[in-house]
Amino acid sequence: SQKIEQNSEALNIQEGKTATLTCNYTNYSPAYLQWYRQDPGRGPVFLLLIRENEKEKRKERLKVTFDTTLKQSLFHITASQPADSATYLCAPPDMNRDDKIIFGKGTRLHILP
Amino acid sequence: KAGVTQTPRYLIKTRGQQVTLSCSPISGHRSVSWYQQTPGQGLQFLFEYFSETQRNKGNFPGRFSGRQFSNSRSEMNVSTLELGDSALYLCASSPGRGSNYGYTFGSGTRLTVV
Repeated sequence: SQKIEQNSEALNIQEGKTATLTCNYTNYSPAYLQWYRQDPGRGPVFLLLIRENEKEKRKERLKVTFDTTLKQSLFHITASQPADSATYLCAPPDMNRDDKIIFGKGTRLHILP
Repeated sequence: KAGVTQTPRYLIKTRGQQVTLSCSPISGHRSVSWYQQTPGQGLQFLFEYFSETQRNKGNFPGRFSGRQFSNSRSEMNVSTLELGDSALYLCASSPGRGSNYGYTFGSGTRLTVV
């Protein structure tokens, strides 16, 4: 069965530095992958969608890469700010139904002032 | 425009009872998906509705059910509640189905079963 792995340990990054979060997937090759941000007690917020034929996607200070050979997506936040502190979720489609989104367990990011 | 609205925000129920949660999607969004979120399991897919039809279903027992109305509003029902059903239930809407759309989530309903 498919597996989505995000670093379960929290990531602490100094303000102003680039934060890089990893999403690894196994046993299949998703056609696309989404990233979401979630704050405590709130629903996730959609950030970016990247397709398998796109190596990289950018939105303001955010950048996502999609390496189908390594079966990995990286999520970068440049010039990080304390307000970027949140949990970030990787969300590819289900291996059997590409119209059904499943979520990794997320990585908690702390930006230290 | 208004976001995805979930009601109620908090709910406390007793084991064995049943509960109905409501979700109003963004106007014009026809797809509604439901997820259960717990600290140990993360976000688990429950089901998805589009044009009043269930299109996808997750691996949950039959006690979990849902429906969608002609105005795209959706409800989910959990019967014979168990302690393990305590979770944050999230509803997400999108304009259509598939890879072209990100989801817009509501703030969720926090269900506590005692």
